[in-house]
Amino acid sequence: RKEVEQDPGPFNVPEGATVAFNCTYSNSASQSFFWYRQDCRKEPKLLMSVYSSGNEDGRFTAQLNRASQYISLLIRDSKLSDSATYLCVVNPSGTASKLTFGTGTRLQVTL
Amino acid sequence: GAVVSQHPSRVICKSGTSVKIECRSLDFQATTMFWYRQFPKKSLMLMATSNEGSKATYEQGVEKDKFLINHASLTLSTLTVTSAHPEDSSFYICSASGFDRGNFEQYFGPGTRLTVT
Repeated sequence: RKEVEQDPGPFNVPEGATVAFNCTYSNSASQSFFWYRQDCRKEPKLLMSVYSSGNEDGRFTAQLNRASQYISLLIRDSKLSDSATYLCVVNPSGTASKLTFGTGTRLQVTL
Repeated sequence: GAVVSQHPSRVICKSGTSVKIECRSLDFQATTMFWYRQFPKKSLMLMATSNEGSKATYEQGVEKDKFLINHASLTLSTLTVTSAHPEDSSFYICSASGFDRGNFEQYFGPGTRLTVT
């Protein structure tokens, strides 16, 4: 089993749609969780950290379910500019140590 | 978010030469920096963890003598690809770790695209 698993997609959605991505992780002791977005031929950019209480930033909502070892990202009112690859990332130790990356989920928002 | 810069953004070099890539954290002190490489349409692959003032920790399969890492200060880490070969052509990305709201978030530099001819 992979340490962090994501559906690679692609998810093709029309502008304005709501889309949800899921991610599961295998290490139950993992401490910190993140969603990054990566555009083609660019570096990953931190989208949001994922807290136990869940968090929301504008159109983006992230949830963490420790019992199920599951992280989600919800994007409401999709924009063309949301087209990117979304990486689910886990920090097993919660310190300044290496991250474990999912392979990413590709999102394509169309007119 | 924090800002991490990388230089150069793009380099083309001849086989056998060495290339140095710099990674700087511009607005925070990074005790730990990470070096990754990424091939087209593939996931990021961690190469090494660079700790300020100590030797880097390399991932399995990464040659430490080929990919020299120096982390001399809290804001600068360098990766030198020695005696580069065409198979070293890749997208090299660094990241720096900073503590924010209880999470050690990692911020990535813009990457360096290396082409070895």
